[in-house]
Amino acid sequence: DVKVTQSSRYLVKRTGEKVFLECVQDMDHENMFWYRQDPGLGLRLIYFSYDVKMKEKGDIPEGYSVSREKKERFSLILESASTNQTSMYLCASSLSGTGASTEAFFGQGTRLTVV
Amino acid sequence: GNSVTQMEGPVTLSEEAFLTINCTYTATGYPSLFWYVQYPGEGLQLLLKATKADDKGSNKGFEATYRKETTSFHLEKGSVQVSDSAVYFCALSLYNFNKFYFGSGTKLNVKP
Repeated sequence: DVKVTQSSRYLVKRTGEKVFLECVQDMDHENMFWYRQDPGLGLRLIYFSYDVKMKEKGDIPEGYSVSREKKERFSLILESASTNQTSMYLCASSLSGTGASTEAFFGQGTRLTVV
Repeated sequence: GNSVTQMEGPVTLSEEAFLTINCTYTATGYPSLFWYVQYPGEGLQLLLKATKADDKGSNKGFEATYRKETTSFHLEKGSVQVSDSAVYFCALSLYNFNKFYFGSGTKLNVKP
């Protein structure tokens, strides 16, 4: 069964801390994504990666960075956490390429609270 | 550009009522279309999908038809259950499926 696993379900961090959110997929997918979900705003793409060490900014990259050193792992980094980064963070992965329909597979989400 | 618009919620229905959640899209190419469901405190799960015009996706009694002429992908279910209470997201993908665009989500509440 396909699986995307996020390292934490709930996190509480202090303002100014450096925060790491980890995501691992076991499907050998090329693409991985980080979204944040806020009430009334739906899902907003922070960063995505289409290969190891490759990344592209999404719609709201400010205040975030990412790392993809191995194909199965995609990390989201909050360099200096702020209260406006309190949110639900969702990791997803998908296959690359045309020809066959594919979809994004999501992790269970990490609810981050910055105090 | 590419975007997805879906009806605002919450939608509140009684059990066994008919459900429609509207979704329209704009896309610069020929997208694949998806409906995802999110139960409280969980991530998103794929509910159904369609990859070309006139395709009908279906799963668990839910259906949606890819209408190119109206750029729509409305979600329907003939008889909802309390267990269908969740947030539903419409989405599209393009460009070798390297990027997904999501609607803002519609919360469904089903009362016994």
